[in-house]
Amino acid sequence: SQTIHQWPATLVQPVGSPLSLECTVEGTSNPNLYWYRQAAGRGLQLLFYSVGIGQISSEVPQNLSASRPQDRQFILSSKKLLLSDSGFYLCAWAPGVNTEAFFGQGTRLTVV
Amino acid sequence: TQLLEQSPQFLSIQEGENLTVYCNSSSVFSSLQWYRQEPGEGPVLLVTVVTGGEVKKLKRLTFQFGDARKDSSLHITAAQPGDTGLYLCAGESGGSNYKLTFGKGTLLTVNP
Repeated sequence: SQTIHQWPATLVQPVGSPLSLECTVEGTSNPNLYWYRQAAGRGLQLLFYSVGIGQISSEVPQNLSASRPQDRQFILSSKKLLLSDSGFYLCAWAPGVNTEAFFGQGTRLTVV
Repeated sequence: TQLLEQSPQFLSIQEGENLTVYCNSSSVFSSLQWYRQEPGEGPVLLVTVVTGGEVKKLKRLTFQFGDARKDSSLHITAAQPGDTGLYLCAGESGGSNYKLTFGKGTLLTVNP
């Protein structure tokens, strides 16, 4: 069966520090991968999605970047965090188009 | 930009009551999904509806996809405290678009 791992679960970082959140998927190959941010327990905002190694599409301009160095690994990064980067970050994978998404447990990021 | 409007945003009811939440859009979706999310966790898929007019039942939950595939509803019969959570709908527009568009969710609280 497929599983998705996302870590860390919680993170407190000072303003101006770098960020690296990692997400890995097991039990499948060539998944579509997504990074979402959720504010205050409400709707999900799509940040990045990837349909293959090295292929990243950005949905909104921001202080963040994403990379996919391996087929089942998706990384969310920032060189210098802002207070506004605080939020709940969710990684998800989907088998392909017209399919449902499966989410990781999320990372609660607090920038102080 | 495709938008999904969910209503109501908040709903607080007593155990045993029935409720309906709605997900509406001016855009057509090839499929629509409903997720349930508990605090501090990632959303979990409940159901996917694909055909206009389709009705799916999951125990006490009934999901309907509108004939024009622009809207959907979720009806819960005899709500229980365990139904408490954030209910999110997400639309997938198909084709080469790999993105799920999420609504902002309905936060349901079922009081014992």
